[in-house]
Amino acid sequence: DQQVKQNSPSLSVQEGRISILNCDYTNSMFDYFLWYKKYPAEGPTFLISISSIKDKNEDGRFTVFLNKSAKHLSLHIVPSQPGDSAVYFCAARGRYGGATNKLIFGTGTLLAVQP
Amino acid sequence: KAGVTQTPRYLIKTRGQQVTLSCSPISGHRSVSWYQQTPGQGLQFLFEYFSETQRNKGNFPGRFSGRQFSNSRSEMNVSTLELGDSALYLCASSSREGRYEQYFGPGTRLTVT
Repeated sequence: DQQVKQNSPSLSVQEGRISILNCDYTNSMFDYFLWYKKYPAEGPTFLISISSIKDKNEDGRFTVFLNKSAKHLSLHIVPSQPGDSAVYFCAARGRYGGATNKLIFGTGTLLAVQP
Repeated sequence: KAGVTQTPRYLIKTRGQQVTLSCSPISGHRSVSWYQQTPGQGLQFLFEYFSETQRNKGNFPGRFSGRQFSNSRSEMNVSTLELGDSALYLCASSSREGRYEQYFGPGTRLTVT
C-alpha cells in the first residue's frame, strides 16, 4: 500500500519557468511533509518541509503548498534553473505515538530543466 | 562538519552470501535510519536506531538486521542474499530522536548475482 504517491515519473520545464511537482498521500496521521532532491550517485538532499498545521512554506525559490482536505502537496520552483534537474522525492512522517525519524517516501519525479 | 559516510560504496555479492554495510553519521548525531532504494519503489524504510536501540523497523524479512554502536556508527546486515536485494542502501542521520530533518549519505550500491 503506497501511502505517499508521486504520479508523474518525469517533468520537463524550460529554464526560467515554474516547475510544479505534485504528491498525494492517504494517511491523515502524517504530521510533517518533506521534499528531497537527489542527483545520481549522491544521497537525497533535504530541500524544504511543512508541518501539517500549515498550508504554505517558502524558502527562496522553493515553496511547498499543503492541501489537507485533498491530501495533496506540491513543490513550486520559481524560476527553474538547469541545476535543479534531479529526482525529487516527497516524504512524510507519521505520528507513531512516540518520537521517530521514520519517513515514508514517494517514488520520485525526475525533473529536467531545459536551457 | 563531515557528512554521512557509507562504506563500501559498491559491492557485488552472489546469492546466498551475506553482506555488512557500514554508516558513520554526522558528528554529534545520535539517530541513524536505513532505507532501501530500488527502481520504481522509491525509498523504503528499513530500520531506525537511537542511542544503540532500534526504535522502528520496516516491513522487511528477518534476513535484514542492523545495530548501532556507542559512537553512533551503524551497520546493517543482510543474510542469505537474494537477487531482489540488489538496491541502493542509504543511511541517514539526524541530530536527535524525533527530528524529521535527516541527512543522507551517498549510499552503498549492492548488486546480487
